[in-house]
Amino acid sequence: GDSVTQMEGPVTLSEEAFLTINCTYTATGYPSLFWYVQYPGEGLQLLLKATKADDKGSNKGFEATYRKETTSFHLEKGSVQVSDSAVYFCALSGPNTGNQFYFGTGTSLTVIP
Amino acid sequence: GAVVSQHPSRVICKSGTSVKIECRSLDFQATTMFWYRQFPKQSLMLMATSNEGSKATYEQGVEKDKFLINHASLTLSTLTVTSAHPEDSSFYICSAGKPRSYNEQFFGPGTRLTVL
Repeated sequence: GDSVTQMEGPVTLSEEAFLTINCTYTATGYPSLFWYVQYPGEGLQLLLKATKADDKGSNKGFEATYRKETTSFHLEKGSVQVSDSAVYFCALSGPNTGNQFYFGTGTSLTVIP
Repeated sequence: GAVVSQHPSRVICKSGTSVKIECRSLDFQATTMFWYRQFPKQSLMLMATSNEGSKATYEQGVEKDKFLINHASLTLSTLTVTSAHPEDSSFYICSAGKPRSYNEQFFGPGTRLTVL
């Protein structure tokens, strides 16, 4: 079945460091791919998404490119800030999932000054 | 916009009591709503999918008699945890899909349930 595999954390970086959180997926058909962010004690917020191969989602300095050939959707940011500390979830959804979302296990990011 | 609210944001109850959590789509009509449960430091686990006016579809392993879901209108779904026990303590999150908004879900802020 459809699934998402996400890099395990926790990840600790210094401010202004480069961030990569790996995400790969398994799906039939052509799903949409998402990154959600969860701040402590809060619900999920959509960070970015891509709906077809080679699309690049971007928001708040974060980017991820939908790579069909490697079935990946890695999240990157060139210079992280303390305020980026949160848990990041990769997810997929598509016509073959009944629009149900499948989430990765989440990666906790802590950025230290 | 597409705003989803949940009420209450936090609830503490005694073991054996029932707790109702509301999920509302504030500025759109939600054809489908989803209920998730999240344990500490873990991912979201889909509990059930509810469509307005019909019975909810529960995921395997989720007790439908314990977690009652009612989707009475296009803007409101409720989750009732019946006869709550400490092991039901968790973070419950709902999401809603918009008509013709393919593959997009909008998440509520979550409800922290603590059963004493």
